[in-house]
Amino acid sequence: DAGVTQSPTHLIKTRGQHVTLRCSPISGHKSVSWYQQVLGQGPQFIFQYYEKEERGRGNFPDRFSARQFPNYSSELNVNALLLGDSALYLCASSYFTAGNTGELFFGEGSRLTVL
Amino acid sequence: QKEVEQNSGPLSVPEGAIASLNCTYSDRVSQSFFWYRQYSGKSPELIMSIYSNGDKEDGRFTAQLNKASQYVSLLIRDSQPSDSATYLCAVKSSGTYKYIFGTGTRLKVLA
Repeated sequence: DAGVTQSPTHLIKTRGQHVTLRCSPISGHKSVSWYQQVLGQGPQFIFQYYEKEERGRGNFPDRFSARQFPNYSSELNVNALLLGDSALYLCASSYFTAGNTGELFFGEGSRLTVL
Repeated sequence: QKEVEQNSGPLSVPEGAIASLNCTYSDRVSQSFFWYRQYSGKSPELIMSIYSNGDKEDGRFTAQLNKASQYVSLLIRDSQPSDSATYLCAVKSSGTYKYIFGTGTRLKVLA
């Protein structure tokens, strides 16, 4: 079975631009989460979506937005890029239900460099 | 105080030894605990999860949870050079969808 797939794997943008990152969860998983990992730090929670609804949002500015599609894939959008947005963006899927905490399974990540 | 704390290391152990990785957390209502391994330049890979007090074993890995002390650990028996990586501890509290990660402990297994 395919794992979590993310695209693109690497991208370079300049300050002020916009970026869209894409993620397809493991088949059967309805929950997708996005995390940002800066070098030397642990992943930081950005968003969680379950059944196409936003269920949680981390401490990130409104420049960050996301959505989940009917097929459970997801997009993360970041507007007005800053140098500090340079990071590895991780998508994670989980078999998450109301009563099941679920384990996160990460994709390979999208490495964003902002110049 | 950080929500999830780990010693950044590096923790160096000889090949064949037991590596002991520790993690403390601040939220007493935390329910779910996870260990991830992350090789340099790669994404985190789930090693194991633990939800109840006590030990949980999976192959060479043993996770230990003590909720009263707010402490979770990972033991790696018969450490191999291929175990050299950063180990991330993650905690999830009841009623939230957020998993909180520590900064990770870098493990070096010396051949």
